[in-house]
Amino acid sequence: NAGVTQTPKFQVLKTGQSMTLQCAQDMNHEYMSWYRQDPGMGLRLIHYSVGAGITDQGEVPNGYNVSRSTTEDFPLRLLSAAPSQTSVYFCASRQTGGDTEAFFGQGTRLTVV
Amino acid sequence: SQKIEQNSEALNIQEGKTATLTCNYTNYSPAYLQWYRQDPGRGPVFLLLIRENEKEKRKERLKVTFDTTLKQSLFHITASQPADSATYLCALPSMDSSYKLIFGSGTRLLVRP
Repeated sequence: NAGVTQTPKFQVLKTGQSMTLQCAQDMNHEYMSWYRQDPGMGLRLIHYSVGAGITDQGEVPNGYNVSRSTTEDFPLRLLSAAPSQTSVYFCASRQTGGDTEAFFGQGTRLTVV
Repeated sequence: SQKIEQNSEALNIQEGKTATLTCNYTNYSPAYLQWYRQDPGRGPVFLLLIRENEKEKRKERLKVTFDTTLKQSLFHITASQPADSATYLCALPSMDSSYKLIFGSGTRLLVRP
């Protein structure tokens, strides 16, 4: 009964380094999304996907890439980390269509120094 | 663009009292609204859904109202307990895509014993 699994839980990067945040879900949800959460700003949508092979930009996509090769996995790539990307990142999934609930991972706390 | 507002100040109440949290939105008429709970260091967890044709929804000690004229939802926790202390987020579907959920910044609730 895993739900949405994110790895790693914590990460420290140096400016300019790249890394991939992993997200996997076992609920066969078509819709997956990445949010970042900063103090006082709530959850802001970075990228989302409505199915394998389909991705689109959210509210704050700059500096991030995504791909969706399978229904289960939706990795988020930071190409060249910047201090402004210090944040807590959440992956979420939900069934498409209607008013279904979103299931969130435990989050990844990323610090860029 | 759509905007969601939640009181950024923490709500501090005595155990046993009713907590009332507010979610206001603008420039939009959503088909539904959802409420989530978030504990420190964890991802948000879905609590309740209310649709535009529903005035009120209840689940145990939780009650949600949805006033589409005022563009406001109220979230009530009756007989509050210290264990109810958390941040509560409201979420609405995006204006441009029903798949995307847009979140408010959340209100922190502190219940004193």
